[in-house]
Amino acid sequence: GGIITQTPKFLIGQEGQKLTLKCQQNFNHDTMYWYRQDSGKGLRLIYYSITENDLQKGDLSEGYDASREKKSSFSLTVTSAQKNEMAVFLCASSIPPGQGGERLFFGHGTKLSVL
Amino acid sequence: GNSVTQMQGQVTLSEEEFLFINCTYSTTGYPTLFWYVQYPGEGPQLLLKVTTANNKGSSRGFEATYDKGTTSFHLQKASVQESDSAVYYCVLGGQGGRALIFGTGTTVSVSP
Repeated sequence: GGIITQTPKFLIGQEGQKLTLKCQQNFNHDTMYWYRQDSGKGLRLIYYSITENDLQKGDLSEGYDASREKKSSFSLTVTSAQKNEMAVFLCASSIPPGQGGERLFFGHGTKLSVL
Repeated sequence: GNSVTQMQGQVTLSEEEFLFINCTYSTTGYPTLFWYVQYPGEGPQLLLKVTTANNKGSSRGFEATYDKGTTSFHLQKASVQESDSAVYYCVLGGQGGRALIFGTGTTVSVSP
Protein backbone atom coordinates (compact mmCIF):
# COMPACT_ATOMS: atom_id res chain seq x y z
CA GLY A 1 0.00 0.00 0.00
CA GLY A 2 0.92 3.63 -0.22
CA ILE A 3 0.40 6.83 1.64
CA ILE A 4 -0.29 10.49 0.91
CA THR A 5 1.47 12.92 3.22
CA GLN A 6 0.30 16.50 3.48
CA THR A 7 2.32 19.18 5.24
CA PRO A 8 1.69 21.09 7.35
CA LYS A 9 -1.37 19.62 9.11
CA PHE A 10 -2.35 23.06 10.41
CA LEU A 11 -1.50 26.38 8.79
CA ILE A 12 -2.23 29.78 10.28
CA GLY A 13 -1.69 32.78 8.07
CA GLN A 14 -2.19 36.51 7.96
CA GLU A 15 -4.41 38.37 5.51
CA GLY A 16 -2.59 38.95 2.21
CA GLN A 17 0.10 36.38 2.92
CA LYS A 18 1.27 33.84 0.34
CA LEU A 19 0.97 30.34 1.79
CA THR A 20 2.23 27.03 0.39
CA LEU A 21 0.82 23.58 1.06
CA LYS A 22 2.76 20.45 0.14
CA CYS A 23 1.74 16.93 -0.79
CA GLN A 24 3.80 13.77 -1.33
CA GLN A 25 2.60 10.34 -2.50
CA ASN A 26 4.41 7.01 -2.75
CA PHE A 27 1.76 5.13 -4.76
CA ASN A 28 3.72 5.95 -7.94
CA HIS A 29 0.47 7.45 -9.30
CA ASP A 30 0.59 9.68 -12.36
CA THR A 31 -2.31 11.93 -11.38
CA MET A 32 -2.58 14.24 -8.37
CA TYR A 33 -5.32 16.60 -7.20
CA TRP A 34 -5.98 19.46 -4.83
CA TYR A 35 -9.49 19.86 -3.43
CA ARG A 36 -10.85 22.45 -1.02
CA GLN A 37 -13.37 21.30 1.58
CA ASP A 38 -15.76 23.81 3.15
CA SER A 39 -18.59 22.97 5.49
CA GLY A 40 -21.80 22.47 3.50
CA LYS A 41 -20.06 22.80 0.13
CA GLY A 42 -18.40 19.44 -0.23
CA LEU A 43 -15.12 19.05 -2.11
CA ARG A 44 -14.32 21.51 -4.86
CA LEU A 45 -11.50 20.92 -7.30
CA ILE A 46 -8.77 23.57 -7.35
CA TYR A 47 -6.07 22.07 -9.58
CA TYR A 48 -5.07 18.67 -10.85
CA SER A 49 -2.14 17.23 -12.74
CA ILE A 50 -2.73 14.22 -14.95
CA THR A 51 0.96 13.47 -15.47
CA GLU A 52 4.21 14.92 -14.23
CA ASN A 53 4.38 17.83 -16.71
CA ASP A 54 0.70 18.64 -16.79
CA LEU A 55 -1.40 21.18 -14.89
CA GLN A 56 -5.17 21.60 -15.19
CA LYS A 57 -7.41 24.19 -13.54
CA GLY A 58 -10.44 23.10 -11.62
CA ASP A 59 -13.56 25.14 -10.90
CA LEU A 60 -11.93 26.93 -7.95
CA SER A 61 -8.48 27.81 -9.32
CA GLU A 62 -8.73 31.59 -8.96
CA GLY A 63 -6.53 32.76 -6.09
CA TYR A 64 -4.33 29.66 -6.23
CA ASP A 65 -1.23 28.44 -8.05
CA ALA A 66 -0.04 24.85 -8.24
CA SER A 67 3.23 23.18 -9.08
CA ARG A 68 3.99 19.54 -9.92
CA GLU A 69 7.66 19.42 -8.99
CA LYS A 70 8.04 15.72 -9.72
CA LYS A 71 5.84 12.65 -10.05
CA SER A 72 5.56 12.17 -6.30
CA SER A 73 4.92 15.76 -5.23
CA PHE A 74 2.30 18.42 -5.88
CA SER A 75 2.24 21.82 -4.16
CA LEU A 76 -0.52 24.36 -3.83
CA THR A 77 0.01 28.07 -3.16
CA VAL A 78 -2.65 30.42 -1.81
CA THR A 79 -1.52 33.61 -3.55
CA SER A 80 -3.14 36.04 -1.08
CA ALA A 81 -4.86 34.67 2.00
CA GLN A 82 -8.30 36.13 2.71
CA LYS A 83 -9.18 37.39 6.20
CA ASN A 84 -11.30 34.95 8.27
CA GLU A 85 -10.82 32.24 5.65
CA MET A 86 -11.06 28.76 7.09
CA ALA A 87 -11.01 25.55 5.07
CA VAL A 88 -9.44 22.12 4.75
CA PHE A 89 -7.31 21.42 1.68
CA LEU A 90 -7.18 17.80 0.56
CA CYS A 91 -4.59 16.28 -1.73
CA ALA A 92 -5.31 13.07 -3.61
CA SER A 93 -3.69 10.81 -6.19
CA SER A 94 -4.83 8.17 -8.67
CA ILE A 95 -3.92 6.54 -11.94
CA PRO A 96 -5.02 8.80 -14.85
CA PRO A 97 -8.79 9.40 -15.09
CA GLY A 98 -8.97 8.25 -18.69
CA GLN A 99 -7.42 4.91 -17.76
CA GLY A 100 -9.95 3.98 -15.11
CA GLY A 101 -8.25 6.04 -12.41
CA GLU A 102 -11.40 6.89 -10.58
CA ARG A 103 -10.36 5.60 -7.22
CA LEU A 104 -8.75 8.54 -5.46
CA PHE A 105 -6.51 8.12 -2.45
CA PHE A 106 -6.64 11.13 -0.15
CA GLY A 107 -4.34 12.59 2.45
CA HIS A 108 -5.64 13.68 5.83
CA GLY A 109 -5.74 17.34 4.87
CA THR A 110 -4.21 20.69 5.77
CA LYS A 111 -6.46 22.91 7.85
CA LEU A 112 -6.02 26.59 7.01
CA SER A 113 -7.02 29.50 9.25
CA VAL A 114 -6.44 33.12 8.31
CA LEU A 115 -6.38 35.76 11.03
CA GLY B 1 -23.27 21.10 -17.08
CA ASN B 2 -21.95 18.25 -14.97
CA SER B 3 -23.18 18.21 -11.39
CA VAL B 4 -24.21 16.09 -8.44
CA THR B 5 -26.91 17.04 -5.94
CA GLN B 6 -27.29 15.79 -2.39
CA MET B 7 -30.21 17.57 -0.76
CA GLN B 8 -29.76 16.08 2.70
CA GLY B 9 -27.04 17.91 4.59
CA GLN B 10 -27.51 15.99 7.82
CA VAL B 11 -29.12 12.67 8.78
CA THR B 12 -29.48 11.61 12.43
CA LEU B 13 -30.32 8.01 13.31
CA SER B 14 -30.23 5.52 16.14
CA GLU B 15 -28.38 2.22 15.80
CA GLU B 16 -30.16 -0.47 13.74
CA GLU B 17 -32.26 2.10 11.87
CA PHE B 18 -32.46 2.23 8.07
CA LEU B 19 -30.25 4.75 6.25
CA PHE B 20 -31.21 6.28 2.91
CA ILE B 21 -29.25 9.08 1.25
CA ASN B 22 -30.60 10.69 -1.88
CA CYS B 23 -28.38 11.68 -4.82
CA THR B 24 -29.17 12.92 -8.32
CA TYR B 25 -26.74 13.74 -11.09
CA SER B 26 -26.64 15.72 -14.33
CA THR B 27 -24.33 14.92 -17.22
CA THR B 28 -24.30 13.54 -20.74
CA GLY B 29 -23.99 9.84 -21.35
CA TYR B 30 -23.78 7.16 -18.69
CA PRO B 31 -20.89 7.77 -16.33
CA THR B 32 -19.58 5.59 -13.55
CA LEU B 33 -20.91 6.71 -10.16
CA PHE B 34 -19.34 6.42 -6.74
CA TRP B 35 -19.98 6.84 -3.06
CA TYR B 36 -17.06 8.03 -0.96
CA VAL B 37 -17.06 8.09 2.85
CA GLN B 38 -15.05 10.38 5.12
CA TYR B 39 -14.53 9.46 8.77
CA PRO B 40 -13.55 12.15 11.29
CA GLY B 41 -9.95 13.29 10.93
CA GLU B 42 -9.37 11.38 7.70
CA GLY B 43 -9.58 12.02 3.99
CA PRO B 44 -12.46 10.58 1.94
CA GLN B 45 -12.14 6.97 0.79
CA LEU B 46 -13.99 4.95 -1.82
CA LEU B 47 -17.00 3.10 -0.44
CA LEU B 48 -18.46 1.66 -3.62
CA LYS B 49 -18.59 2.07 -7.38
CA VAL B 50 -21.37 1.36 -9.86
CA THR B 51 -21.19 1.26 -13.63
CA THR B 52 -23.97 1.08 -16.19
CA ALA B 53 -23.00 -2.55 -16.76
CA ASN B 54 -24.13 -3.73 -13.35
CA ASN B 55 -26.47 -0.95 -12.06
CA LYS B 56 -25.93 -1.95 -8.43
CA GLY B 57 -23.00 -1.89 -6.07
CA SER B 58 -22.51 -2.94 -2.50
CA SER B 59 -19.82 -2.77 0.13
CA ARG B 60 -19.68 -3.14 3.93
CA GLY B 61 -23.47 -3.55 4.10
CA PHE B 62 -24.17 -0.46 1.99
CA GLU B 63 -25.99 -0.68 -1.34
CA ALA B 64 -26.39 1.78 -4.16
CA THR B 65 -28.55 1.53 -7.26
CA TYR B 66 -27.95 3.41 -10.50
CA ASP B 67 -31.23 4.59 -12.08
CA LYS B 68 -30.59 6.05 -15.52
CA GLY B 69 -34.25 6.94 -15.98
CA THR B 70 -34.42 9.30 -13.00
CA THR B 71 -30.63 10.06 -13.02
CA SER B 72 -30.48 9.06 -9.37
CA PHE B 73 -27.96 7.08 -7.35
CA HIS B 74 -29.19 6.52 -3.82
CA LEU B 75 -27.22 4.94 -0.98
CA GLN B 76 -28.87 2.76 1.64
CA LYS B 77 -28.05 0.51 4.55
CA ALA B 78 -30.57 -1.68 6.33
CA SER B 79 -29.20 -1.37 9.85
CA VAL B 80 -26.65 1.30 10.78
CA GLN B 81 -24.07 1.16 13.55
CA GLU B 82 -22.45 3.98 15.48
CA SER B 83 -19.26 3.34 13.48
CA ASP B 84 -21.12 4.40 10.31
CA SER B 85 -21.10 8.01 11.54
CA ALA B 86 -19.30 9.87 8.78
CA VAL B 87 -19.76 12.20 5.82
CA TYR B 88 -20.97 10.45 2.65
CA TYR B 89 -20.26 11.93 -0.78
CA CYS B 90 -22.02 11.05 -4.02
CA VAL B 91 -19.47 11.36 -6.83
CA LEU B 92 -19.80 11.66 -10.60
CA GLY B 93 -17.10 9.80 -12.48
CA GLY B 94 -14.81 11.49 -14.94
CA GLN B 95 -15.36 11.16 -18.66
CA GLY B 96 -12.79 12.04 -21.31
CA GLY B 97 -10.13 12.63 -18.69
CA ARG B 98 -12.27 14.96 -16.59
CA ALA B 99 -11.71 14.75 -12.83
CA LEU B 100 -14.37 13.44 -10.43
CA ILE B 101 -17.14 15.78 -9.28
CA PHE B 102 -18.14 15.51 -5.64
CA GLY B 103 -21.53 16.33 -4.17
CA THR B 104 -21.86 18.55 -1.10
CA GLY B 105 -21.88 15.59 1.27
CA THR B 106 -24.35 14.19 3.81
CA THR B 107 -23.28 14.01 7.44
CA VAL B 108 -24.65 10.86 9.08
CA SER B 109 -24.72 10.75 12.87
CA VAL B 110 -25.68 7.46 14.52
CA SER B 111 -26.31 7.32 18.26
CA PRO B 112 -26.10 4.09 20.30
